[in-house]
Amino acid sequence: DIQMTQSPSSLSASVGDRVTITCQASQDISNYLNWYQQKPGKAPKLLIYDASNLETGVPSRFSGSGSGTDFTFTISSLQPEDIATYYCQQYDNLPPLVTFGPGTKVDIK
Amino acid sequence: QVQLVESGGGVVQPGGSLRLSCAASGFTFSSYGMHWVRQAPGKGLEWVAFIRYDGSNKYYADSVKGRFTISRDNSKNTLYLQMNSLRAEDTAVYYCAKDIAAADTIFDYWGQGTLVTVSS
Repeated sequence: DIQMTQSPSSLSASVGDRVTITCQASQDISNYLNWYQQKPGKAPKLLIYDASNLETGVPSRFSGSGSGTDFTFTISSLQPEDIATYYCQQYDNLPPLVTFGPGTKVDIK
Repeated sequence: QVQLVESGGGVVQPGGSLRLSCAASGFTFSSYGMHWVRQAPGKGLEWVAFIRYDGSNKYYADSVKGRFTISRDNSKNTLYLQMNSLRAEDTAVYYCAKDIAAADTIFDYWGQGTLVTVSS
């Protein structure tokens, strides 16, 4: 089974700061990596799919990069509404197997 | 607009059963694979099960294999999760989620979730 790690597990940053989260897979997953935002008490929301594609309607301050085993998620200028936990998710289609990272909680300093 | 509305959660004793439903609207339900994903209180996300758009293939996480059954009724635009032999560790919010495309495991829409509590 593929294992996913995320770092850091939590971070605190100021409004306007650049925030970077990393996600590492235990084996090569090509670009089959998605990023979700989950606010307290809410369902997750898709932000980035296939490592670097911005989902429709998602602000451009969110971006993703990487391939193989190492991936990065970036918020270019942190906003108060970005307070949430962010999860990476790897997938395989045949059969459809899914693993989520443990999450990164983002707070405002 | 796409809507996914889960129902059927509640409190059940260990060893008991529960059936969750997810009513879909705003898209052609019969064209998309669907998933169940759960989240234990204060914990991360765990994928539970997948069903192909036509119901022909189903896959499960090892943690629920043999106890949970995913199904769908495309005439009713509804997804189901039959949960048997429930354990305390099955306590979680259960979300249904839609695939972004016919063959991609990318969850572009989620329901609001339904809470299942397994306790005596």
